Amino acid sequence: DMQMTQSPSSLSASVGDRVAITCRASQSISNYLNWYQQKPGKAPKLLIYEASRLRSGVPSRFSGSGSGTDFTFTITGLQPDDFATYYCQQSSSAPRTFGQGTRVDIK
Amino acid sequence: EIQLLESGGGLVQPGGSLRLSCTASGSAFNTYAMTWVRQGPGKGLEWVSEMSGSGGRTGYADSVKGRFTISRDNSKNTLYLQMSSLRAEDTATYYCAQYFQGSFYYGMDVWGQGTTVTVSS
Repeated sequence: DMQMTQSPSSLSASVGDRVAITCRASQSISNYLNWYQQKPGKAPKLLIYEASRLRSGVPSRFSGSGSGTDFTFTITGLQPDDFATYYCQQSSSAPRTFGQGTRVDIK
Repeated sequence: EIQLLESGGGLVQPGGSLRLSCTASGSAFNTYAMTWVRQGPGKGLEWVSEMSGSGGRTGYADSVKGRFTISRDNSKNTLYLQMSSLRAEDTATYYCAQYFQGSFYYGMDVWGQGTTVTVSS
């Protein structure tokens, strides 16, 4: 099965910072990589699909890049509402595994 | 906009069974692939199972294969997860979710609020 390795597991940042999270697949998944945001007690929210396509209504400060096995999720200009946990997920094949998550909290 | 509502969670003893339901509002339910995702207490997201819109294609995580069965009744706009031989490690909040644009490849854009399953004696 596909393994997704996400790093870092947590980070501290300030409002206005640029934040980057990486996700590595154990084998090539083309661009079938999604990013989610989850806040405590809430269901996840899809932000980016197909590695770099921003879902409608999602602020443009969120972006994604990569293909094959290496992917990056970036928040440019961190906002107070962005403090949350972020997950990558491969959707190339079942089981459509998630990364371990990255918790972004306030420095 | 479509909404998803899960039900059926609760406390069950190890080795027991439980059936979760997820009812969708709105139309065209039968055109959307659906999935179950779970999250153990304080843990990350775990993909559990999926089913195509027609019901003809399914997939399972290794951790539940042979114990869980996904199904759907499109006439009732409802997705199910039949869980048997439950273990303590199955304790989690279970979310149902709809695949974006109905495709397995685009991630899940609509989620329910989750239903909690606790496996304990």
